[in-house]
Amino acid sequence: GDSVTQTEGQVTVSESKSLIINCTYSATSIAYPNLFWYVRYPGEGLQLLLKVITAGQKGSSRGFEATYNKETTSFHLQKASVQESDSAVYYCALGGGYKVVFGSGTRLLVSP
Amino acid sequence: EAAVTQSPRNKVTVTGGNVTLSCRQTNSHNYMYWYRQDTGHGLRLIHYSYGAGNLQIGDVPDGYKATRTTQEDFFLLLELASPSQTSLYFCASSGTGGASQNTLYFGAGTRLSVL
Repeated sequence: GDSVTQTEGQVTVSESKSLIINCTYSATSIAYPNLFWYVRYPGEGLQLLLKVITAGQKGSSRGFEATYNKETTSFHLQKASVQESDSAVYYCALGGGYKVVFGSGTRLLVSP
Repeated sequence: EAAVTQSPRNKVTVTGGNVTLSCRQTNSHNYMYWYRQDTGHGLRLIHYSYGAGNLQIGDVPDGYKATRTTQEDFFLLLELASPSQTSLYFCASSGTGGASQNTLYFGAGTRLSVL
């Protein structure tokens, strides 16, 4: 079936350091999946961080970037310099038709 | 401002109890969804709907009913709650076609505890 695997558990990064959260996907029933990163801040619902619908393209938002790589079936999230305000849970997801499949989420803790 | 509002935000019930979670969206979206989120799992789809009176089964529907009374309102019903249904529940909406397809707009979540 369709699935998303991302860096598990919690990642701790010092402020101003770089970040990468890995995401790989398997799309068996979705021919041309859309790829997403969502973020959930404490006490809030998930909100869209970035979305890419075309293989080979890069999405960016709030200093975060992710490139849709069809060859490696990956959509890693990167940021060159994190801030304390980036502390949140990040979810990779793939979508097609009505369906959106989420990874298990990665908690990012940015230490001062 | 367009939004997805869930109520209640927190709920505690006992095993065998009857619970209704409510969701209202003002996005004028056709699709609405109920997900549950548990530690170690991604969001898992319980039920979804593409319009008033419509209901589609998701990936983890057992023990849940849902009803879409209007375009705005989508309810999740647990008629005989069990401890395995203790979870964080999210409602979401999305539009259809083009750039809005698959882009979900979420409520803040309802934390349900079944004792």
